[in-house]
Amino acid sequence: KQEVTQIPAALSVPEGENLVLNCSFTDSAIYNLQWFRQDPGKGLTSLLLIQSSQREQTSGRLNASLDKSSGRSTLYIAASQPGDSATYLCAVSGNQFYFGTGTSLTVIP
Amino acid sequence: NAGVTQTPKFQVLKTGQSMTLQCAQDMNHEYMSWYRQDPGMGLRLIHYSVGAGITDQGEVPNGYNVSRSTTEDFPLRLLSAAPSQTSVYFCASRQGEGGGEQFFGPGTRLTVL
Repeated sequence: KQEVTQIPAALSVPEGENLVLNCSFTDSAIYNLQWFRQDPGKGLTSLLLIQSSQREQTSGRLNASLDKSSGRSTLYIAASQPGDSATYLCAVSGNQFYFGTGTSLTVIP
Repeated sequence: NAGVTQTPKFQVLKTGQSMTLQCAQDMNHEYMSWYRQDPGMGLRLIHYSVGAGITDQGEVPNGYNVSRSTTEDFPLRLLSAAPSQTSVYFCASRQGEGGGEQFFGPGTRLTVL
């Protein structure tokens, strides 16, 4: 069974700092990897989708990379803002979708 | 497009009661799924469907039933609610079983007393 791990579980940074969130998975036979954002009490908002044939995707201040052979993905957030505070989840798509438990990010003004 | 919609947003049940959580999508997606989210355990797949008339079990199917009579709708039925089913339930959809982007509904927060 695919296992997805996200480290760290929680992260607190001052505003303006660049940061990296990590996601690792055990089975490299995936179709894609998707990063989500979840605000407290809310649903999941899709941030970036990386197909298995791609190495990275960018959207605004967000950049996600994928190294399928090593089972790793990173989400890079540039110039962090208090509005970036949320839980970030990664999910890998094989026969089913498998989620990590998330990284709770707090950006301090 | 409304995307993925779920009703109700909140529900309180007594042990043994039954209910149906509604999910609908207007994106003509083939693949729909139900997850539950519990603290410290992430999202776990309950049931999924790859098209109308086709459903299958996920990681935690016990105590839940699903059916898929149309492409748009994928209701989740709790047969006899138990306190262990207290959770937040999310419905999701995507185009195709493999590589499509997955979209989520806003969730249903269920409490079983």
